Amino acid sequence: NAGVTQTPKFRILKIGQSMTLQCAQDMNHNYMYWYRQDPGMGLKLIYYSVGAGITDKGEVPNGYNVSRSTTEDFPLRLELAAPSQTSVYFCASSLAGPPVPYEQYFGPGTRLTVT
Amino acid sequence: EDQVTQSPEALRLQEGESSSLNCSYTVSGLRGLFWYRQDPGKGPEFLFTLYSAGEEKEKERLKATLTKKESFLHITAPKPEDSATYLCAVQANYGQNFVFGPGTRLSVLP
Repeated sequence: NAGVTQTPKFRILKIGQSMTLQCAQDMNHNYMYWYRQDPGMGLKLIYYSVGAGITDKGEVPNGYNVSRSTTEDFPLRLELAAPSQTSVYFCASSLAGPPVPYEQYFGPGTRLTVT
Repeated sequence: EDQVTQSPEALRLQEGESSSLNCSYTVSGLRGLFWYRQDPGKGPEFLFTLYSAGEEKEKERLKATLTKKESFLHITAPKPEDSATYLCAVQANYGQNFVFGPGTRLSVLP
């Protein structure tokens, strides 16, 4: 199993550009998540999905959109990129979710710079 | 508001020098506390889940313990390959999602 994969690994965007961060998992997990990680801060949840066709906002959703058309894929869309979106983005998945505490498995991350 | 803090922010140890990392949490009912290891440029790697006060889990040189207010990650006789950032996360009873702490950056010198 490849686990959770993310592309691209690195990307530089100009202010106002848009892009999609790709995430895929081959563990047949129902739950998928997008986080951002900024220096000195804990991981912050952007969006999550409990299954194909179902998504919901996390703690910091502004400026992002997601879709989940299949169990395997969970892309994150950035519209009108801003410098505040410079960060490292991680995708994660888990077999199930609340109320049962399941561990999440993370991808390798995408480092995004907006200039 | 659920909160997770970790201390120290950074820790430098000599190889073989045992120590502990702290994760303090404030949640309205704990469902689970999770420890992760993160190497530079990589995603977090799952280590342990603890569910209730008094519980302990071990893996190689690492041992995680849990009380009602905090968790400790004890590192016994660390090696340079244990150098990483260690993250703690909690899931509350009513919460849908994890709350992560900022991490402790551990350096083990040979």
